Amino acid sequence: GNSVTQMEGPVTLSEEAFLTINCTYTATGYPSLFWYVQYPGEGLQLLLKATKADDKGSNKGFEATYRKETTSFHLEKGSVQVSDSAVYFCVMRGSNYKLTFGKGTLLTVNP
Amino acid sequence: DVKVTQSSRYLVKRTGEKVFLECVQDMDHENMFWYRQDPGLGLRLIYFSYDVKMKEKGDIPEGYSVSREKKERFSLILESASTNQTSMYLCASSPVERDTDTQYFGPGTRLTVL
Repeated sequence: GNSVTQMEGPVTLSEEAFLTINCTYTATGYPSLFWYVQYPGEGLQLLLKATKADDKGSNKGFEATYRKETTSFHLEKGSVQVSDSAVYFCVMRGSNYKLTFGKGTLLTVNP
Repeated sequence: DVKVTQSSRYLVKRTGEKVFLECVQDMDHENMFWYRQDPGLGLRLIYFSYDVKMKEKGDIPEGYSVSREKKERFSLILESASTNQTSMYLCASSPVERDTDTQYFGPGTRLTVL
């Protein structure tokens, strides 16, 4: 069945550090891939997405590339800010409208 | 902007009570979803609805039911609340168009069952 495995947290970084959160998936067919972010006290919101192999999603300085050969969709940011502190979810959408979520990675960025 | 609202941010109920969680979206979306979010488990789908009066079970439907009488409103019902249903409940909606598959989430309801 479909599944998503992402790096377990928590991750603690200093401001301006480089961020990578690893994500791999298992799916039949060619799923769409997403990163959702949940800021403290809020619901989830879409951060970026990629719908086919080699697509790169980007938003707010975050990037992730859909790698079919390694079934991965790692999230990266070159220089994190305190305001990036949140929980990040790697998410996959298969052939129906259902999303499969990773367990989430808590990122804390210290000034 | 799409807006998904949930009736309560925090709710405290007693074991055995019947609990209603309400969700309303204002973008005429066909699909609506209920998830629960637990630490270390991520989000798990309880039920979803792809049209008025239509529903399908998600991954963990036991102990829950849903109602969708109007397109904009999707209710989650705990017929007899139990302590293991203490959780954060998130509602989401999405349009049905094939290329627009983003789900829009409400702020969540943190339910505590004593």
